[in-house]
This record gives sequence, C-alpha cells and structure tokens, in this order.
Amino acid sequence: GQNIDQPTEMTATEGAIVQINCTYQTSGFNGLFWYQQHAGEAPTFLSYNVLDGLEEKGRFSSFLSRSKGYSYLLLKELQMKDSASYLCAVIPSNYQLIWGAGTKLIIKP
Amino acid sequence: DAGVTQSPTHLIKTRGQQVTLRCSPKSGHDTVSWYQQALGQGPQFIFQYYEEEERQRGNFPDRFSGHQFPNYSSELNVNALLLGDSALYLCASSFDTRRNSPLHFGNGTRLTVT
Repeated sequence: GQNIDQPTEMTATEGAIVQINCTYQTSGFNGLFWYQQHAGEAPTFLSYNVLDGLEEKGRFSSFLSRSKGYSYLLLKELQMKDSASYLCAVIPSNYQLIWGAGTKLIIKP
Repeated sequence: DAGVTQSPTHLIKTRGQQVTLRCSPKSGHDTVSWYQQALGQGPQFIFQYYEEEERQRGNFPDRFSGHQFPNYSSELNVNALLLGDSALYLCASSFDTRRNSPLHFGNGTRLTVT
C-alpha cells in the first residue's frame, strides 16, 4: 500500500528551530508538497520538492531525499503564528495526491 | 483576484438526506478537486474534475457524485447521508497544464450529519 508518516504532534519554543519529518512509501514519485493548516482554515501551500536537496524560502526550508523516501520541513525563528498543522503530500505516479495526517505544531512563549 | 470560494460554510443535515456543496475555483484555474477531511486527519481525495469530466476518483462510494460547469465551477453531491459523512469538505483548484502545480484550497464546508 501507499502511506505517509508524520509525527502527530510537536512542541517548540518561540524563537527556536523545529524540524518536522515526513517519510513516504508510494507507487512512483512526482514531487512532494508541504502545506500549513491553521485550525478551522484551509491548507495553504508552503513548498514543493521534486529533486533531492534543500529548498529555502525565508524562515521555512524543505528537504527531500528520494532514495530514502524522506522529507523534512524546517522552521526557523519560530513565531506564535506558526502554531498550526503541517501536512506532507506526495504526488505518486497516477498524480492522485496522497496526504499525511499532519503534524500539529504547538509553539510556547 | 478571488481565491477559491466554497458555499455554504456550515451545513447540518439528518441521516438519509442529500446535500450539494459548491465551489468556484481561483481565477485562471481549470481543475477542481474535492477532499474530505475528518478532525485530526489529512485530506482524503474524493474526485477531480477537468474539462467537465470526472478524471480521477478516490475510494468513495457512488453516493458521492459531482459536476463541473463550463465556467469551471463545481458541485459535490452526497446522497443518503450517513453519520460518518460528517467532516470538512474542501475544494481545491489548480492549473492543469502543469500537473505538479500546487493546489489552492477554499475554506471548506463543515457538514454535520445528525
């Protein structure tokens, strides 16, 4: 079967750095998305990786290793507004996105 | 530039009833996907519409059906509602010529079945 694993919940301190991991097993691979979802709101696009390596976008970076079926989202200089769920989604060979259950990130002052 | 809009925002129905949810895609987008999201879970793919045809379908029963109109807007219909259909229903649009283009989501319709 196809599946995506992410930690259910993580806690970090304002101003710190946190890494949210995502491992996947899918039939084929055409790319990986990270989305942010605040409670009661729609998911919003954060990043896209299709080649191995690190993609940096301001305070957020995303890393991909296709050989390991592994990605992480790195959040720097954490702010209270970063408290949200972070969803990893993989594009398999049939282009039907597969979503992880999301990681709830709690930021403490 | 309006993003993805969904209506209604909230809906309460009883078991056995039928419901229609509506979605207008982001300007310039031609593909609409529907997702069901239970509390604390990731979105589950229902189906995708492109050029007014259902192009892909997830693991949902035939009670779930949809339609896409010439202006790219879309409807999701659910018949014979069950308690387990209570969830957030998300519509997402994208630009199909780049199949890896990110999805843009609406704020969803919260459906409660009693």
